[in-house]
Amino acid sequence: AQSVTQLGSHVSVSEGALVLLRCNYSSSVPPYLFWYVQYPNQGLQLLLKYTSAATLVKGINGFEAEFKKSETSFHLTKPSAHMSDAAEYFCAVIPDSSYKLIFGSGTRLLVRP
Amino acid sequence: NAGVTQTPKFQVLKTGQSMTLQCAQDMNHNSMYWYRQDPGMGLRLIYYSASEGTTDKGEVPNGYNVSRLNKREFSLRLESAAPSQTSVYFCASSENYSWARSGANVLTFGAGSRLTVL
Repeated sequence: AQSVTQLGSHVSVSEGALVLLRCNYSSSVPPYLFWYVQYPNQGLQLLLKYTSAATLVKGINGFEAEFKKSETSFHLTKPSAHMSDAAEYFCAVIPDSSYKLIFGSGTRLLVRP
Repeated sequence: NAGVTQTPKFQVLKTGQSMTLQCAQDMNHNSMYWYRQDPGMGLRLIYYSASEGTTDKGEVPNGYNVSRLNKREFSLRLESAAPSQTSVYFCASSENYSWARSGANVLTFGAGSRLTVL
């Protein structure tokens, strides 16, 4: 069963524009949710995580994500894109009591000058 | 400030050859993981070690073996490489495996090992 779905394998925005990367999840228990970023030729780094505290989570580099239980979504946003934001972004979820972390297929963000 | 170190960074194998990917972490983490990353499929868990002395299968364990050599080191072995194992492999570690009790641990990843099987 698909636990996390990222809509759009590629997203292209202009520098200074809003960044919106979509993530929907399925979970049998209250989930833990994460966004990771992968810069070229590097490992993944944690951007932010949701652990049932505040529904709006702020992360590094100006990114934030909002947990919406009614929509089973955890979309990632940034008000103004920088060229340095170009990377691949992965949504991940711990969907059940097995504690296994399940990754989405990733969204590559391209930032146009 | 090494974090998680993987070797080698690149490797080319012929079908049927064997090799071992090495991983070491210096953060005193209890849990370690091996993932593979393939285009359009995200990261998939191959094996993990919740604590020293234990290993368990993940989503895609077939064709792989692992060894938790000590608390620091967790190796991944391909006994007879196949073209389907061409991928980028990532090792990761976390403080412990039970995210819920610990308030959701964070994974720290190595830089990856790119393996090509011809």
